[in-house]
Amino acid sequence: EVQLLESGGGLVQPGGSLRLSCAASGFTFNTYAMSWVRQAPGKGLEWVSAISGSGGSTYYADSVKGRLTISRDNSKNTLYLQMNSLRAEDTAVYYCAKFTSQVDAPSGWFDPWGQGTLVTVSS
Amino acid sequence: EIVLTQSPATLSLSPGERVTLSCRASQSVNSYLAWYQQKPGQAPRLLIYDASNRATGIPARFSGSGSGTDFTLTISSLEPEDFAVYYCQQRRSWPLTFGGGTKVEIK
Repeated sequence: EVQLLESGGGLVQPGGSLRLSCAASGFTFNTYAMSWVRQAPGKGLEWVSAISGSGGSTYYADSVKGRLTISRDNSKNTLYLQMNSLRAEDTAVYYCAKFTSQVDAPSGWFDPWGQGTLVTVSS
Repeated sequence: EIVLTQSPATLSLSPGERVTLSCRASQSVNSYLAWYQQKPGQAPRLLIYDASNRATGIPARFSGSGSGTDFTLTISSLEPEDFAVYYCQQRRSWPLTFGGGTKVEIK
């Protein structure tokens, strides 16, 4: 069974940093692209970032470009999101999700999703 | 950026009723559209991909149709567990985008 378990969320001050992790199991991690999607409290879904299976290609939403960095450690079956220069508008539940297509580049759909980790940016 | 507009924002219905949700894209996404279901306090779940294909384990009462810019998710007969928020998503071009969601609530 595919499982994705996020961690690392919490309360951080504006301008601060945080690193989220997503531990994956139940599939051959390095053969699937992965992604982060966030959801502000009471709001809809917003795609944040994606990374190829090898880690060689990354993609970002304009709203986070230059501040958030996606990476992966295929030896540890773990996806990361380094979050710097955080703003109040980054407050959200952050989900990691696996792409459905077993190719290096992000392709397919988000399935499954982790349970999410809450990031709150506030002073 | 491709903007996805979902309508209506909220639907109030009774179990057993037929539901039709709409998703309109600002430009053609071909058939590169998916639907997700999200219940309170849970992560989204993939329901339909490539506009009309049911994901693994999704009941036959869920169906999707459309191509280009206009898409529909239909639930043939609402079950109690179907009351949730539904989102569409396109992968035709970067950035990947979601619609604003349609909440299906109990009348």
